[in-house]
Amino acid sequence: QKEVEQDPGPLSVPEGAIVSLNCTYSNSAFQYFMWYRQYSRKGPELLMYTYSSGNKEDGRFTAQVDKSSKYISLFIRDSQPSDSATYLCAMSDFSGGYNKLIFGAGTRLAVHP
Amino acid sequence: KAGVTQTPRYLIKTRGQQVTLSCSPISGHRSVSWYQQTPGQGLQFLFEYFSETQRNKGNFPGRFSGRQFSNSRSEMNVSTLELGDSALYLCASSLTGSFADTQYFGPGTRLTVL
Repeated sequence: QKEVEQDPGPLSVPEGAIVSLNCTYSNSAFQYFMWYRQYSRKGPELLMYTYSSGNKEDGRFTAQVDKSSKYISLFIRDSQPSDSATYLCAMSDFSGGYNKLIFGAGTRLAVHP
Repeated sequence: KAGVTQTPRYLIKTRGQQVTLSCSPISGHRSVSWYQQTPGQGLQFLFEYFSETQRNKGNFPGRFSGRQFSNSRSEMNVSTLELGDSALYLCASSLTGSFADTQYFGPGTRLTVL
């Protein structure tokens, strides 16, 4: 079983929809939780970063972490065609060492006009 | 500010050959990490360098190695290539590599092994 599970999709939604992306994990030591967006033929870019449990909002994006359930989510409001990409969750802990991120498989999202 | 650059962008090799990939971090960044991305395994951590020292290593065979130079540029080498080494190799840089640092990824080098 992988440390981080993420449904690869694909997920297809109409423009303007609210999108919910999720990851579950098994390592209770994870403290830092991130969401990256990766466009085709590009490297991942950091979207959201949260430490421990709670919510964080940035424009149309909201990240949620529930450590008791080992579950993290990314919500995208008013989705746009430009949001079409692969979304990767990533996590790290202190014992993993410097910069060792554990990634989910990534969810492919398509937002159609 | 220029982003992370990786060269070459595309590479085709045959089994048994070796390959060297290069990464130039963002100016001022001293930590460089390498990841392998495949459709089956996703993104997997290879190793991390800081001040020319490898501080952390993932679960890859010894055929995968790397180094960092005094200007923070990094190279990774894969010897005796296997078909399964075909992947997108991503480099990421950050200021110090601490847990609170943001990692910035380059566009990757797509390696195809025939």
